[in-house]
Amino acid sequence: KAGVTQTPRYLIKTRGQQVTLSCSPISGHRSVSWYQQTPGQGLQFLFEYFSETQRNKGNFPGRFSGRQFSNSRSEMNVSTLELGDSALYLCASSLKTGLGSGNTIYFGEGSWLTVV
Amino acid sequence: GQQVMQIPQYQHVQEGEDFTTYCNSSTTLSNIQWYKQRPGGHPVFLIQLVKSGEVKKQKRLTFQFGEAKKNSSLHITATQTTDVGTYFCAGVRASNYQLIWGAGTKLIIKP
Repeated sequence: KAGVTQTPRYLIKTRGQQVTLSCSPISGHRSVSWYQQTPGQGLQFLFEYFSETQRNKGNFPGRFSGRQFSNSRSEMNVSTLELGDSALYLCASSLKTGLGSGNTIYFGEGSWLTVV
Repeated sequence: GQQVMQIPQYQHVQEGEDFTTYCNSSTTLSNIQWYKQRPGGHPVFLIQLVKSGEVKKQKRLTFQFGEAKKNSSLHITATQTTDVGTYFCAGVRASNYQLIWGAGTKLIIKP
């Protein structure tokens, strides 16, 4: 079956602009989570959505927001972009929320955002 | 911030040498997962450990989960160039099922 699909793969934005990234999870998966990864850094958790509800949120400013649609597809938005927002944004899907036993995460290939 | 300490941040080895990365949590974990991210790629699930003291092997990779379910390790025997990448642990807190990630250990093969 198809994996996690993220669009766009690469984009360049200017400081102050906003950006919307899209993620289509694996068919049947209802949980979508978003991560930011900067060069040399680990995975910084942004938020998780399950059944259109935000279930968990990381320590990011309010400029970072997301939503999930009834078909489980998710979008994340970053407003008023800053240079430090340049990163790889990874989307991951899983069957269930809470990531308890047996709940493996499947990552998409990511969206590379460069802010200039 | 990171709530699972993963060390070392980098490890340089000669091809054929062994590699080990460790994860330590301040809280008890219900399970721990390991992921590998190749350079330029995305994290890919390797394995999940659930039981106290569990040891699992995948060819040259050995994964361990501590008796207290607070620490875990990944050991690679006789590294090969295909092992290059960053290895992440991700633990699930037993108290609230929150997923917490280690910062990753980057395996670099010396030329």
